[in-house]
Amino acid sequence: AQSVTQLDSHVSVSEGTPVLLRCNYSSSYSPSLFWYVQHPNKGLQLLLKYTSAATLVKGINGFEAEFKKSETSFHLTKPSAHMSDAAEYFCVVRPTTGTASKLTFGTGTRLQVTL
Amino acid sequence: DGGITQSPKYLFRKEGQNVTLSCEQNLNHDAMYWYRQDPGQGLRLIYYSQIVNDFQKGDIAEGYSVSREKKESFPLTVTSAQKNPTAFYLCASSITPRGGTGELFFGEGSRLTVL
Repeated sequence: AQSVTQLDSHVSVSEGTPVLLRCNYSSSYSPSLFWYVQHPNKGLQLLLKYTSAATLVKGINGFEAEFKKSETSFHLTKPSAHMSDAAEYFCVVRPTTGTASKLTFGTGTRLQVTL
Repeated sequence: DGGITQSPKYLFRKEGQNVTLSCEQNLNHDAMYWYRQDPGQGLRLIYYSQIVNDFQKGDIAEGYSVSREKKESFPLTVTSAQKNPTAFYLCASSITPRGGTGELFFGEGSRLTVL
């Protein structure tokens, strides 16, 4: 069994300040973890993925995430927010040996960026 | 450009009508998926197909049907048996069901509203 919990449904930051979107997971197996971004009325786009290699993962648009097994967390960070980062972000878990049909999505965190 | 094309982007339906959402991909991916997205919820899997002429039910298949006659195409029919069809529908694909890291590529979605 697996699950993912996004700890904040809504996060608001000022432009130029750091971003932290929190994700905790539960998995009976060694997991693969993903962060996807969704802009309004659009599909999801992959930001980054962890697949049992380096625990600090760098993604697109300056985002990164760190896999912490002891804390069962995979938080998404960015040093400096930009207005274009305003979107919804989804944390996703999958067993490493599982198929894509076994993905479990979090409920999403809406990021608001203000001037 | 390779990608996934969903149509129509917006669709209105009267109660009791069946509607079909189109999904076409030119990525040469083996696997295709349909997800439903409701506000404040993560994505939920409706159906998926790992190969032509084969498909499996996901977590919320009741009231939906699919076909996979061609590798490129995976249409979804929302039938009158679906009690609450108003939602945002996302089609996705992956290179193979098990190959790679399970990353999904998404279309831009179809928003269905039942009047």
